[in-house]
Amino acid sequence: GQQVMQIPQYQHVQEGEDFTTYCNSSTTLSNIQWYKQRPGGHPVFLIQLVKSGEVKKQKRLTFQFGEAKKNSSLHITATQTTDVGTYFCAGPGSARQLTFGSGTQLTVLP
Amino acid sequence: DAGVIQSPRHEVTEMGQEVTLRCKPISGHNSLFWYRQTMMRGLELLIYFNNNVPIDDSGMPEDRFSAKMPNASFSTLKIQPSEPRDSAVYFCASSWTSGNEQFFGPGTRLTVL
Repeated sequence: GQQVMQIPQYQHVQEGEDFTTYCNSSTTLSNIQWYKQRPGGHPVFLIQLVKSGEVKKQKRLTFQFGEAKKNSSLHITATQTTDVGTYFCAGPGSARQLTFGSGTQLTVLP
Repeated sequence: DAGVIQSPRHEVTEMGQEVTLRCKPISGHNSLFWYRQTMMRGLELLIYFNNNVPIDDSGMPEDRFSAKMPNASFSTLKIQPSEPRDSAVYFCASSWTSGNEQFFGPGTRLTVL
């Protein structure tokens, strides 16, 4: 079945440093979604990418969908303590449900 | 809209007891998902419904788990009998259709002693 892998599993950064998490799928994806889960909270939808090579920005967050539509990345510029949480990518599975990656847990040190 | 509503928020029970988790999806959403989250296994899809019909229950761990969606505004996930290894946070999520962005509820933190 489809697998969605994320790296790194954990990342500690100093406040102000940049952060990137990578997502790789074993199959071509029609789209990819990104979610953020704050500690003790629930996953919250951030964005969806659909087109090959698509790049979208949300303030300090930049999302990219690979040309082959099998990988994606989330880059945060100048991290802040409010960026703390776990970031998940998710792609449609064979039955049109979402398959979530294992997530990258970001810690921002003040 | 109040978002996805789950109850209870916390449940502590003893091994062997029956546990019922409840979910009210966002009105108008046609797809409903039950997930389990643990440190070891991450976020796992247990089952999902489309228009109240179970579509994929391959993630349900074993026969002790069952889920129902009697109408468009209510779903339950039942564990009978519960075991300590069932301890986890259980999330319900809904979306307009499967594959669209999902809206998660606050989750039920289940502890089985």
